[in-house]
Amino acid sequence: GAVVSQHPSRVICKSGTSVKIECRSLDFQATTMFWYRQFPKKSLMLMATSNEGSKATYEQGVEKDKFLINHASLTLSTLTVTSAHPEDSSFYICSGDSVHNEQFFGPGTRLTVL
Amino acid sequence: SQKIEQNSEALNIQEGKTATLTCNYTNYSPAYLQWYRQDPGRGPVFLLLIRENEKEKRKERLKVTFDTTLKQSLFHITASQPADSATYLCALETGANNLFFGTGTRLTVIP
Repeated sequence: GAVVSQHPSRVICKSGTSVKIECRSLDFQATTMFWYRQFPKKSLMLMATSNEGSKATYEQGVEKDKFLINHASLTLSTLTVTSAHPEDSSFYICSGDSVHNEQFFGPGTRLTVL
Repeated sequence: SQKIEQNSEALNIQEGKTATLTCNYTNYSPAYLQWYRQDPGRGPVFLLLIRENEKEKRKERLKVTFDTTLKQSLFHITASQPADSATYLCALETGANNLFFGTGTRLTVIP
């Protein structure tokens, strides 16, 4: 199947700083990329959907000014958590979709805000 | 609002038996439903997609059924192996390829 990478895999930061997470589709072009958040023992919750070259669509309750998403190309999307706080600590996962409606997920990024 | 329930948070079965996981949903009529496997600390891995007009889908030891009248999908792993131990997530398509995930069932296959 198609491969999606995320960088970094783990990040620890101080409260108030910003963190950027990269999501790349390595062997396919993802017109649409999705960002999810997963808390321990909970399911993935969709945060936003991004299409290449346009603004992201955010789910209800997700602050677009706090979670900045940029989808600069068909193979790269970035999520920036601005002014991170401890409650933002979570597992962030991106995915890109294929023409067959399958979504290919990245390995996730574990964010810990101290 | 949409609601997805996966039958149990955890399921333990003996190696060689068939594991059956259930996904029930309300308040929606998805065009398709997907099943994913997730290992601890990793992103989900796609397993199977079944469309609303399909009753059953198979892939090797995996079988998925989709009953749109009951609003239920069953996920079976036959001849289960310890390596099948993982969390299995069902996900509904909610339009524009967006997926809404269940909370998952953590399967443990006991040797």
